Amino acid sequence: KNEVEQSPQNLTAQEGEFITINCSYSVGISALHWLQQHPGGGIVSLFMLSSGKKKHGRLIATINIQEKHSSLHITASHPRDSAVYICAVGRWRAQKLVFGQGTRLTINP
Amino acid sequence: GAVVSQHPSRVICKSGTSVKIECRSLDFQATTMFWYRQFPKQSLMLMATSNEGSKATYEQGVEKDKFLINHASLTLSTLTVTSAHPEDSSFYICSARAGLGVGNTIYFGEGSWLTVV
Repeated sequence: KNEVEQSPQNLTAQEGEFITINCSYSVGISALHWLQQHPGGGIVSLFMLSSGKKKHGRLIATINIQEKHSSLHITASHPRDSAVYICAVGRWRAQKLVFGQGTRLTINP
Repeated sequence: GAVVSQHPSRVICKSGTSVKIECRSLDFQATTMFWYRQFPKQSLMLMATSNEGSKATYEQGVEKDKFLINHASLTLSTLTVTSAHPEDSSFYICSARAGLGVGNTIYFGEGSWLTVV
């Protein structure tokens, strides 16, 4: 079993829908990252969380440390949100990140 | 905000030659940089962790002599693919940690597409 599991692996929705992507992990962490990878390959760091909730524009990320679970929400989704969303955790006191397998999101107009 | 610049974004090289990819942190000092490889529709695979002024730490299965990593300054790490072969064709991407703490934000470069012909 992977240390970081994302669901769903693929998600297709219509423009305007509320999107939720989930991430569960099984190790102790110092921080959890949500990343966005566009078809061209570049990766943008959306959030880094160690507790609670963060919001940036239409994006909201939450984390429940006790349940070892995080969610990424997109409100009023738009075709430009189409990308692969990756959850990654930094293990406690470790340098490197452990990645989930990614969620491929497609928003149709 | 902090930016990590990677160069070149695309490179085509002949089989048997070497190619160097640069990763620069533009407005912060990065004591630690990470090099990843990604095949189409697959997850990022960590190749090595690069610490400024010391030897890189390679992941299991990654050939040190083939993928040379140099982190000579706090703002620059390079990955050299030596004696490249078509199977080395892939997307290579770096990331850099701002500061020393493991809880510090990690920033990613734009990635480099390598094609070996």
